[in-house]
Amino acid sequence: EADIYQTPRYLVIGTGKKITLECSQTMGHDKMYWYQQDPGMELHLIHYSYGVNSTEKGDLSSESTVSRIRTEHFPLTLESARPSHTSQYLCASSEGPGVTNEQFFGPGTRLTVL
Amino acid sequence: GQNIDQPTEMTATEGAIVQINCTYQTSGFNGLFWYQQHAGEAPTFLSYNVLDGLEEKGRFSSFLSRSKGYSYLLLKELQMKDSASYLCAVSGAGSYQLTFGKGTKLSVIP
Repeated sequence: EADIYQTPRYLVIGTGKKITLECSQTMGHDKMYWYQQDPGMELHLIHYSYGVNSTEKGDLSSESTVSRIRTEHFPLTLESARPSHTSQYLCASSEGPGVTNEQFFGPGTRLTVL
Repeated sequence: GQNIDQPTEMTATEGAIVQINCTYQTSGFNGLFWYQQHAGEAPTFLSYNVLDGLEEKGRFSSFLSRSKGYSYLLLKELQMKDSASYLCAVSGAGSYQLTFGKGTKLSVIP
């Protein structure tokens, strides 16, 4: 069973606010990912990390930033939220080579910026 | 780059069999995944194919042809709870990242 957690599950904030979306996993996975998904649309990779102190931008350009100071923790930060950031944000993790590299997803954070 | 195509919507009857197709073009290939996503929820893993052929797991089977850039997900004995979006995703060569298709929304009707 996947043990990957995201908080908050829902967030409504005003424009210009700084927010941090939390993601933690207890599976000891090296690899973690952030996706953005609008309703009825595909998942787009916005950030990924292959280990501590390693972060890369994904295919979809995003104004968010991430950090990976601990293996289990991969927070995403928006310095100044805008209505265009309204979306669902999904965090995932995977184990790596030698296995299927199945990604396990957290429950997601649904962000609304007014 | 990678391009993944799958039908937008499908409808099938409870108890029937449905096949959801996925075609892909990639610069490299390291495996193909199928995920199920219920509305408003996170995707959950269904199957993984890296070699040609059929992988069976209960009511769900997935097929891959690497030479044709083609996969399908077969769902048997459909149940109402199978109403969901089914996402095809490809992992590129030397990469742990997944590129997802737009998903196929399956509606199961009585």
